[in-house]
Amino acid sequence: AQSVTQPDIHITVSEGASLELRCNYSYGATPYLFWYVQSPGQGLQLLLKYFSGDTLVQGIKGFEAEFKRSQSSFNLRKPSVHWSDAAEYFCAVGQAYGGATNKLIFGTGTLLAVQP
Amino acid sequence: SAVISQKPSRDICQRGTSLTIQCQVDSQVTMMFWYRQQPGQSLTLIATANQGSEATYESGFVIDKFPISRPNLTFSTLTVSNMSPEDSSIYLCSVQGLNYGYTFGSGTRLTVV
Repeated sequence: AQSVTQPDIHITVSEGASLELRCNYSYGATPYLFWYVQSPGQGLQLLLKYFSGDTLVQGIKGFEAEFKRSQSSFNLRKPSVHWSDAAEYFCAVGQAYGGATNKLIFGTGTLLAVQP
Repeated sequence: SAVISQKPSRDICQRGTSLTIQCQVDSQVTMMFWYRQQPGQSLTLIATANQGSEATYESGFVIDKFPISRPNLTFSTLTVSNMSPEDSSIYLCSVQGLNYGYTFGSGTRLTVV
């Protein structure tokens, strides 16, 4: 069965430091992969997605992620964290049917705290 | 990407009652999805709602507890029936947009007392 693992439940970084959030997936075919961010009391906002092409994906707010098939990973990175990045981050894999994907399986999330 | 209006944004309900959550999209979409996010946990898909057909429920979710309507291509409702405190969660609707991106509503924060 498809699954997504985010090994880090909680991460604290200093403002200005670099960030990497880990995501591993289990999927039989080429996955469609997503990173979402959820700020307190807010819905989910799509940061970036991958479904084909260049394995290094650029997203909004200065985030990027790299798809590594050999490691079944899709880690999210940001070179310099801002205090406003404090939020919960979810990795998700899209389950594909007939060339399209029609539901998402989410990881358990990583809560990011940013120290001044 | 699509804009989703979801309401109510939050509610406090008595156990044994029902709450209907509405999801309005600003464009026509084939599939709409309903998710539950229990406190401190990730999102779990409840069901997929296609216009003109019965919703498809995931394992562990049943129509009697979570009836869904999908009367047209821009609107859906999810009802949480006969509520108990265990139903206290955030409920979110979602649609698939262009290029496989998914948009989510801002969620309904439900507390059952």
